[in-house]
Amino acid sequence: EVQLVESGGGLIMPGGSLRLSCAASGFTFTNAWMSWVRQAPGKGLEWVGRIKPKTDGGTTDYAAPVKGRFTISRDDSKNTLYLQMNSLKTEDTAIYYCTTDGLIRGHTFDYWGQGTLVTVSS
Amino acid sequence: DIVMTQSPDSLAVSLGERATINCRSSQSVLYRSNNRNYLAWYQQKPRQPPKLLIYWASTRESGVPDRFSGSGSGTDFTLTISSLQADDVAVYYCQQYYDLPRTFGQGTMVAVK
Repeated sequence: EVQLVESGGGLIMPGGSLRLSCAASGFTFTNAWMSWVRQAPGKGLEWVGRIKPKTDGGTTDYAAPVKGRFTISRDDSKNTLYLQMNSLKTEDTAIYYCTTDGLIRGHTFDYWGQGTLVTVSS
Repeated sequence: DIVMTQSPDSLAVSLGERATINCRSSQSVLYRSNNRNYLAWYQQKPRQPPKLLIYWASTRESGVPDRFSGSGSGTDFTLTISSLQADDVAVYYCQQYYDLPRTFGQGTMVAVK
């Protein structure tokens, strides 16, 4: 069974940094494309960015609002995905979901974690 | 960026009746080389993460009841719930995976009338 478990969320002041983690199990993480998707309170879904497996270059892509501030990385030895968030803004307040990116079904977000809440506020 | 626009924003349907949600993309998400539409539908119930319902515009995810169906091609798509059940109360999102950035519709809230 595929499981994705996010952690690391919390309350942080504007301008601060936070690192989220996503522990993956139930599939071959090393070969998986992975994404982060966020959802502001009471709002819709917004793709944050993705990372390819090392076999596909291990490169990353980001949405414009977070490019240059957020960094996605992975530790395949720990089956863990990370989201390093710097220079946080109030508009980054959201639930952050870790997702598989086309594990089985095209490049859809086919499996989701339960999410971790990040609140950026003074 | 490909803009995804859903209609309506919300709808209320009687139990057992049909619910129809539309999704329009600002450019075609049909990849001509494989004739596939890079369009997915997700269901999000309160306090839960989204769940993949349909991909390639019309292929139901394993375990999804057959009252859910997807149709359309190019820029215009539809999610239909043929006979609404109480368990279907949720927000539904369309999403394109044709290009980066991946983009979602704004969501359609489905309620029981």
